[in-house]
Amino acid sequence: GESVGLHLPTLSVQEGDNSIINCAYSNSASDYFIWYKQESGKGPQFIIDIRSNMDKRQGQRVTVLLNKTVKHLSLQIAATQPGDSAVYFCAENLSGGYQKVTFGTGTKLQVIP
Amino acid sequence: DGGITQSPKYLFRKEGQNVTLSCEQNLNHDAMYWYRQDPGQGLRLIYYSQIVNDFQKGDIAEGYSVSREKKESFPLTVTSAQKNPTAFYLCASSSAGGSYNEQFFGPGTRLTVL
Repeated sequence: GESVGLHLPTLSVQEGDNSIINCAYSNSASDYFIWYKQESGKGPQFIIDIRSNMDKRQGQRVTVLLNKTVKHLSLQIAATQPGDSAVYFCAENLSGGYQKVTFGTGTKLQVIP
Repeated sequence: DGGITQSPKYLFRKEGQNVTLSCEQNLNHDAMYWYRQDPGQGLRLIYYSQIVNDFQKGDIAEGYSVSREKKESFPLTVTSAQKNPTAFYLCASSSAGGSYNEQFFGPGTRLTVL
């Protein structure tokens, strides 16, 4: 938990601004993508997901964009709040058989009050 | 209150000792997973189980063992054969079958080998 954020790329944003966190995934056959939020010392929490037949999905204050051409995923957080400070990582899922999920290394988001 | 619990939160072990990490879920999920998390790295899969009395090795199973005698429980034993056991261990569960099943994570156990 406490050391999860070490050596990760860090994004610092002012409170109230929008945040964009990017992720490159590896397998062009992956068909389901998830963004997780992990606060220090805690387990990851699901934020939002998207299937490969979509290119955009919106939740409450969050939007996920999927660009399959360049294998890129992004998470947009609107009006970033101090409680959004955490490590965010994407995961890709290749369906079939068991739930084979591959997790990215993560980005640390720091919100400046 | 449904969820996944892991215990203990912090665990210290001497070199050469085996230690067992607990994971319990009351979500009625068939599938359970163990991951290891190291600083600056993504989660790596140790073992997974899709159904009671069955489990499969993940990407880094060497030095670990599991059992799945009950649907609710999936304990992980870190054996003395694991060369670098100090890490943050996460347990997760999900529904099985279908294509898109969200994994729910426990709070984690931080293991430190002294």
